[in-house]
Amino acid sequence: TQLLEQSPQFLSIQEGENLTVYCNSSSVFSSLQWYRQEPGEGPVLLVTVVTGGEVKKLKRLTFQFGDARKDSSLHITAAQPGDTGLYLCAPRFSGSARQLTFGSGTQLTVLP
Amino acid sequence: NAGVMQNPRHLVRRRGQEARLRCSPMKGHSHVYWYRQLPEEGLKFMVYLQKENIIDESGMPKERFSAEFPKEGPSILRIQQVVRGDSAAYFCASSGTGERQPQHFGDGTRLSIL
Repeated sequence: TQLLEQSPQFLSIQEGENLTVYCNSSSVFSSLQWYRQEPGEGPVLLVTVVTGGEVKKLKRLTFQFGDARKDSSLHITAAQPGDTGLYLCAPRFSGSARQLTFGSGTQLTVLP
Repeated sequence: NAGVMQNPRHLVRRRGQEARLRCSPMKGHSHVYWYRQLPEEGLKFMVYLQKENIIDESGMPKERFSAEFPKEGPSILRIQQVVRGDSAAYFCASSGTGERQPQHFGDGTRLSIL
């Protein structure tokens, strides 16, 4: 069983602040997806990263994939209340075919 | 709506009954995945199917649970003789053919066992 750590578990910040969420493992990821989930809904795909060292930007969100493909981060600039939600990293581990392994998530609350 | 469609959204069953959860993948997708989210826990992989084939069922409980994805119609996750511990949100995802194709999720079926 591959272990996946996501931190922090909870984060409450004021509107306009920046934040970073981390996703780590001791095993190599063949790829990794970031999702956001709101109560009563399914996870919504934000981005897929595949190449070590890759950086992708989605408006105020910046996603990085570690050089060794064992970690990833999500940075949000100037957070807004609409960013509130559960952020999930979901890697596909090498040798695990297509199944995704989900972390426990980071519950982000952005206060107006 | 071209997204992944799951029904019903909510399902209530009494202990010992059967639960059937349906998933229609996104248009053009032929790969379906089922995940379970227990209260206060993360999503856990259950099974991966292609049309008429189970590819990976390593996350499925050994008894009472089965899944199918027939040539025509939606994928079905079937739980026989449900118990209280089966109460959870069950999510279906679908993807395209390439191995690194992202998985897109439906809004889930919330199963409650009385």
